[in-house]
Amino acid sequence: AQKITQTQPGMFVQEKEAVTLDCTYDTSDPSYGLFWYKQPSSGEMIFLIYQGSYDQQNATEGRYSLNFQKARKSANLVISASQLGDSAMYFCAMREVNNAGNMLTFGGGTRLMVKP
Amino acid sequence: DGGITQSPKYLFRKEGQNVTLSCEQNLNHDAMYWYRQDPGQGLRLIYYSQIVNDFQKGDIAEGYSVSREKKESFPLTVTSAQKNPTAFYLCASSSGSANLRDYTFGSGTRLTVV
Repeated sequence: AQKITQTQPGMFVQEKEAVTLDCTYDTSDPSYGLFWYKQPSSGEMIFLIYQGSYDQQNATEGRYSLNFQKARKSANLVISASQLGDSAMYFCAMREVNNAGNMLTFGGGTRLMVKP
Repeated sequence: DGGITQSPKYLFRKEGQNVTLSCEQNLNHDAMYWYRQDPGQGLRLIYYSQIVNDFQKGDIAEGYSVSREKKESFPLTVTSAQKNPTAFYLCASSSGSANLRDYTFGSGTRLTVV
């Protein structure tokens, strides 16, 4: 079974509008962390936001917020007031404490395109 | 500033040749990782190392080899046995399991077989 699932291969959003990128995950580890990365065409992985499994509040970083619904194993990224520079690939990823190696496991990504 | 340096940024290889991708970090991280990314896809783990002189296969290790002789360095060799090596390769490092948030990526190497 996929550990991280991103069901939206591509999305369009109008500039200045908000957009939600979906991510669901699967783990039996009680301690884990969830990440969102942005990858522009240059290829670098830009860290956006992190949510720990024990964090009581949803994470926020500027225009980015993470809608964390633990019972549903969902960690959706919300981008408010979209900008043209937000056009990129977005990846959801997870790290589990009890995973040997503690590596990040990635979803397949969502390509976001912001329309002027 | 601390970070991860991957070199070269672009690499061209003839079929049948081995090629080595460099990854160096000055973050004093114990763990290092190599990922492969194909166009429009997510990242897949090739190899990882949690300590010097030890490394483990990831999901797609066939056709690749690594070494970890120094804490700072984790080079990846793409061998001629790798059937389709053209891809984007990313190196990452982390300090360990206690701080899950601590995970740093290099800027990547784009390998093309000609």
